[in-house]
Amino acid sequence: AQSVTQLGSHVSVSEGALVLLRCNYSSSVPPYLFWYVQYPNQGLQLLLKYTSAATLVKGINGFEAEFKKSETSFHLTKPSAHMSDAAEYFCAVSDLAHNDMRFGAGTRLTVKP
Amino acid sequence: GAGVSQTPSNKVTEKGKYVELRCDPISGHTALYWYRQSLGQGPEFLIYFQGTGAADDSGLPNDRFFAVRPEGSVSTLKIQRTERGDSAVYLCASSPQSPRGGADYGYTFGSGTRLTVV
Repeated sequence: AQSVTQLGSHVSVSEGALVLLRCNYSSSVPPYLFWYVQYPNQGLQLLLKYTSAATLVKGINGFEAEFKKSETSFHLTKPSAHMSDAAEYFCAVSDLAHNDMRFGAGTRLTVKP
Repeated sequence: GAGVSQTPSNKVTEKGKYVELRCDPISGHTALYWYRQSLGQGPEFLIYFQGTGAADDSGLPNDRFFAVRPEGSVSTLKIQRTERGDSAVYLCASSPQSPRGGADYGYTFGSGTRLTVV
């Protein structure tokens, strides 16, 4: 069965610093991978997705993620954090064998001024 | 509609009561998903519909939970004999039909229904 593990339930960075949120996946078939963001009291919003095209995926708000098959990873990065990036981030996996999506436990990003 | 609509946005019920949560997906989206998100957790898969039928209900925690989608659009999640442990945000999502369904497009989520069982 497919699954994802997000390393670090809380990440804190200073404004302007690099953001790195880690996600490792497990899937018996080629995966499709997603990052979602959830702002307080709001629904989940798709940031970016990998569906077997380019391994470096660019998303909204300056975020990007790189699919690394050898490391079974799909880490999310942003070169320079902004205060408005403070939110909960979820990594998720799907594949052709399973049309449903499975989520990680989430990483809460705090941005310090 | 323009987005996925979930009603009510908040529901407080007494232990042992029956509740229904409604999801109105994006028009034309044939796939519909229910998730449950407890405080501090990621969304937990409950059930997935393709059209009117439940393609995968393996995430429903027990037989108190049931969901329907009789006409292939609106779906209702039904919880019988509610327990305090059922308190959570219930999320609905939809995606277009394609050979790869949600894998192609990702999902569009509603804002959720916050269920509190007292």
